[in-house]
Amino acid sequence: LAKTTQPISMDSYEGQEVNITCSHNNIATNDYITWYQQFPSQGPRFIIQGYKTKVTNEVASLFIPADRKSSTLSLPRVSLSDTAVYYCLVGDWKAAGNKLTFGGGTRVLVKP
Amino acid sequence: GAVVSQHPSWVICKSGTSVKIECRSLDFQATTMFWYRQFPKQSLMLMATSNEGSKATYEQGVEKDKFLINHASLTLSTLTVTSAHPEDSSFYICSARPPRTQSFNEQFFGPGTRLTVL
Repeated sequence: LAKTTQPISMDSYEGQEVNITCSHNNIATNDYITWYQQFPSQGPRFIIQGYKTKVTNEVASLFIPADRKSSTLSLPRVSLSDTAVYYCLVGDWKAAGNKLTFGGGTRVLVKP
Repeated sequence: GAVVSQHPSWVICKSGTSVKIECRSLDFQATTMFWYRQFPKQSLMLMATSNEGSKATYEQGVEKDKFLINHASLTLSTLTVTSAHPEDSSFYICSARPPRTQSFNEQFFGPGTRLTVL
């Protein structure tokens, strides 16, 4: 499974855009990039998934450059409730026996 | 989206006792479920993969005789922490993957179970 590297923490303010970049230099051809959000004492929640270029849903955007060695999760106009830990995961979980391996995650603190 | 539940949400037990945690997929069938453990301020660590109708697959360093996993049906997996000790106190989270082809890499997580061993 491709190893991921994310910043340990980020601070932001309400209404700002938050961008979290994840490095995955040894991503494989069949790997997808998936981001999860976790609040304290809760299970992770799926945010977004992509393979290449840009993916957007109602809560976030995911930007993936052509070489796919990194990806950036973009959270538009964050609010206090977006304070959480965000995990970037990379893998072709069919090939890996469907296992999800979590890295360290990025702790995002949104301030008023 | 698919819903995964866990029971209990929290449990406090005495050292030496066994604790069973249930993980249920409420609106889909899951042939595979996963169990994670998370210590405070740390990431999730995969403990084992639970396969319906067969033995669980444990990650390296996880004692299979201490963390008993049973996946008796397509909607239920249980994790039993046997002879629990204070160092087993942690947040235990399960996940399951619905059998859809469109988003086959997506897994749904339960709300977690906080275990405190006194």
